Amino acid sequence: TQLLEQSPQFLSIQEGENLTVYCNSSSVFSSLQWYRQEPGEGPVLLVTVVTGGEVKKLKRLTFQFGDARKDSSLHITAAQPGDTGLYLCAGERNFNKFYFGSGTKLNVKP
Amino acid sequence: KAGVTQTPRYLIKTRGQQVTLSCSPISGHRSVSWYQQTPGQGLQFLFEYFSETQRNKGNFPGRFSGRQFSNSRSEMNVSTLELGDSALYLCASSPGGSEKLFFGSGTQLSVL
Repeated sequence: TQLLEQSPQFLSIQEGENLTVYCNSSSVFSSLQWYRQEPGEGPVLLVTVVTGGEVKKLKRLTFQFGDARKDSSLHITAAQPGDTGLYLCAGERNFNKFYFGSGTKLNVKP
Repeated sequence: KAGVTQTPRYLIKTRGQQVTLSCSPISGHRSVSWYQQTPGQGLQFLFEYFSETQRNKGNFPGRFSGRQFSNSRSEMNVSTLELGDSALYLCASSPGGSEKLFFGSGTQLSVL
């Protein structure tokens, strides 16, 4: 069983649409990170959120950490084909030990 | 700065064999973590090494082991390979604290 559940598992949308990916758990995390992974490559860190309720923006991407530090969301505005990839959330419980969600595979069609 | 380097990139083995994977972290990084990625289970934590000592361990059988050398390079060994060990093995390095992980491109292991 996964400590972190991501939804949806798959998402196929048209360029220009908005989308939200969710990362949920019943456990509390000291920090939560979001990564994007492209085929044949390792995950690349997008953002780290640490404080409950924290919101961080990275261009068209908005990340939010839940007040209780058990869940997070990633919102993409006006998605572009370059956003295509596997999005992974990862929660840290023990020092430098991260639990990854199963991922959301996003396909943005031109 | 060079990124995290994993070798080999691809590996094909048969059941019962053993395998050693190598990871060279970013220069100056002292922590190396290993993850197994499969379509069904996603990324699962194997272990983390810091200054040649295993600091964290995941829930994998003893067939999976690792070590870290004084130059921070790390190796992971899997003995008595099983079909279910087929996966992408990812190595990640970090400076040493609770920080962002820098991943390598992984070693794709296929067990036949």
